[in-house]
Amino acid sequence: NAGVIQTPRHKVTGKGQEATLWCEPISGHSAVFWYRQTIVQGLEFLTYFRNQAPIDDSGMPKERFSAQMPNQSHSTLKIQSTQPQDSAVYLCASSLETGANTGQLYFGEGSKLTVL
Amino acid sequence: GDSVTQTEGQVALSEEDFLTIHCNYSASGYPALFWYVQYPGEGPQFLFRASRDKEKGSSRGFEATYDKGTTSFHLRKASVQESDSAVYYCALGGRRGSALGRLHFGAGTQLIVIP
Repeated sequence: NAGVIQTPRHKVTGKGQEATLWCEPISGHSAVFWYRQTIVQGLEFLTYFRNQAPIDDSGMPKERFSAQMPNQSHSTLKIQSTQPQDSAVYLCASSLETGANTGQLYFGEGSKLTVL
Repeated sequence: GDSVTQTEGQVALSEEDFLTIHCNYSASGYPALFWYVQYPGEGPQFLFRASRDKEKGSSRGFEATYDKGTTSFHLRKASVQESDSAVYYCALGGRRGSALGRLHFGAGTQLIVIP
């Protein structure tokens, strides 16, 4: 089984440009999560889909950030008008979310976003 | 709100030393507790979980026991190896009925094992 696949691995954008990050979850997993990781803030929850439906986006900045899951095989995180403070590693994870597997997240290697 | 506190930001040990990384949580009820490990350039990997008082989770020689009384889930290993060098995260599970699978991560503890 392939793991969670994230593309691109590295992205450099200029301030004010748009960035779109892609995630392909493990086949058969019902839940998809996005987290952001920085040295200062650590691992921050952004948003969460279950069976493609948005469940909890309480961690998403209210402006400029959006996430979608148009089908069971991929999710996207879009950041409009990127700012230097958006520089981070964006991690996608998927999970079976059944009984004892709940909370057992499988993370991708992350997409490192650098905003100049 | 729910939170996790890891006391040590960094731990440096020699090979074969005993490891303890402290994790305390703040939450009502009996949340599931987790340990994850992250190697450079990779995403965090699940180590193990526990969801009841006195339950012990273990994997790869690491273990932790859920202690409701002290609200703790300390990570221990009897004899560390250089290959254990990584960042370790304690995490708290989400709530039934809502974001069940959402995790609240601690700040992480970097373990450095000197050969």
